[in-house]
Amino acid sequence: ETGVTQTPRHLVMGMTNKKSLKCEQHLGHNAMYWYKQSAKKPLELMFVYNFKEQTENNSVPSRFSPECPNSSHLFLHLHTLQPEDSALYLCASSQDEWGMAVPYMARTFGSGTRLTVV
Amino acid sequence: GQQVMQIPQYQHVQEGEDFTTYCNSSTTLSNIQWYKQRPGGHPVFLIQLVKSGEVKKQKRLTFQFGEAKKNSSLHITATQTTDVGTYFCAGQRNSGYALNFGKGTSLLVTP
Repeated sequence: ETGVTQTPRHLVMGMTNKKSLKCEQHLGHNAMYWYKQSAKKPLELMFVYNFKEQTENNSVPSRFSPECPNSSHLFLHLHTLQPEDSALYLCASSQDEWGMAVPYMARTFGSGTRLTVV
Repeated sequence: GQQVMQIPQYQHVQEGEDFTTYCNSSTTLSNIQWYKQRPGGHPVFLIQLVKSGEVKKQKRLTFQFGEAKKNSSLHITATQTTDVGTYFCAGQRNSGYALNFGKGTSLLVTP
């Protein structure tokens, strides 16, 4: 186990469904992220939460809605998705040390949720 | 925006051969990180390089950060079947949280 737990591991949903992905980190980190990994594309950063506050939203469509109720939990709410949204969704966390000359922000990734939109 | 290019996209080697993947950024980086993702798995952090010209070793893996802090390489000596996976570099600029990942190099090692 990585210390970052994602559920479910696999999800198949129709385009009219509403579902949520869950991420929990047990590392005491202060930042959490959602990434999308599609075939033949780089890892795409979707959202960043630092101390529970959303600090980045990389032009993600509104059919993806993040929620961070506390620094250990992160959700990704999904509704009216498209088949091209099928991908591996990875949650990650890091401990951001902003007091350092060079921030050290190694990401610890969860195992991911393999999402298929039909 | 910042681009991180990684080559080659794929590499197939015989066990025992060496392997190198290269990473190039269009902008100067504050640091670069390397990750490994096994087939069906998730990215796992390997190392972070911070200083210009820095070289770090982890057993058979050697990581380099260029003098201009725009490029990096990962070299594996005498590959083993356990080295199979995709190796990603990820560059970070001096400001912000963004960690820009390359597309990765998929390594296949045959016995």
